[in-house]
Amino acid sequence: QTVVTQEPSLTVSPGGTVTLTCASSTGAVTSGYYPNWFQQKPGQAPRALIYSTSNKHSWTPARFSGSLLGGKAALTLSGVQPEDEAEYYCLLYYGGAHWVFGGGTKLTVL
Amino acid sequence: QVQLVQSGAEVKKPGASVKVSCKASGYTFTSYGISWVRQAPGQGLEWMGWISAYNGNTNYAQKLQGRVTMTTDTSTSTAYMELRSLRSDDTAVYYCARVTITMTFDIWGQGTMVTVSS
Repeated sequence: QTVVTQEPSLTVSPGGTVTLTCASSTGAVTSGYYPNWFQQKPGQAPRALIYSTSNKHSWTPARFSGSLLGGKAALTLSGVQPEDEAEYYCLLYYGGAHWVFGGGTKLTVL
Repeated sequence: QVQLVQSGAEVKKPGASVKVSCKASGYTFTSYGISWVRQAPGQGLEWMGWISAYNGNTNYAQKLQGRVTMTTDTSTSTAYMELRSLRSDDTAVYYCARVTITMTFDIWGQGTMVTVSS
C-alpha cells in the first residue's frame, strides 16, 4: 500500500514564508509523479493550486509556488496572507490512472 | 463557465447502494476524465477511482474494487459513481473532479454528503 506523507501541521506568521512537503513511500518524488497541490477551507471543496510539480492554474495567486526538494514535492507560500490558513493536500500519480493523496497539512497563520 | 454540479445529499442504510451524479457543463465532456474523491468527516481526501469520458475506461482504488462502479452518459455529459454494500465508514462527502491530460484535477464538484446509518 502506497503512502504519501505530509507534515500534519505548520504555523507561519503573516508575511512570512513556509514550505510544505510531500513524500512517497516508494522513494524519491520526481516530475513523473505529476505532483498536484490543493487548498481546502472548512466546508468547501478542494481548490487546485499547482499541477505537474510547478505549474500554476490561472486562478493561483503568485505567492504560491511548487518545486521538487530533496526527493519530495514541495509547496512554498511566500508573503503569507491570513486567508491562506487552510488544509493543503498533495496528490501524486502512480501510473495506470492511479493516484494517491497525502494526508494533508493544516496551515495556521498566526 | 466550466463547472461540475453534483446530486443532492443521500441517507442510506447499511448494505444499501448509492449512486451519485456529476453533471458537466462549459467544456467538451469527452475530452477529459473524471475522478471521484471522498472525505470522511474530519478526515483527509481519498482517491476512489477514475473514468475516461472518452471511452469509459476505468481504474478503481484497490480497497473499493468490487463495490464501486463509475460510468458516464455522454449524451447528458454526466458521470456517475455507484457504491454498493454500504457501511458506516462510507459516510463521507463525495466529490467528482475533472482530470486533464496534464494529470491535474482542475475543476471540482460541490460535493455530495452520503450518510450511512441504521
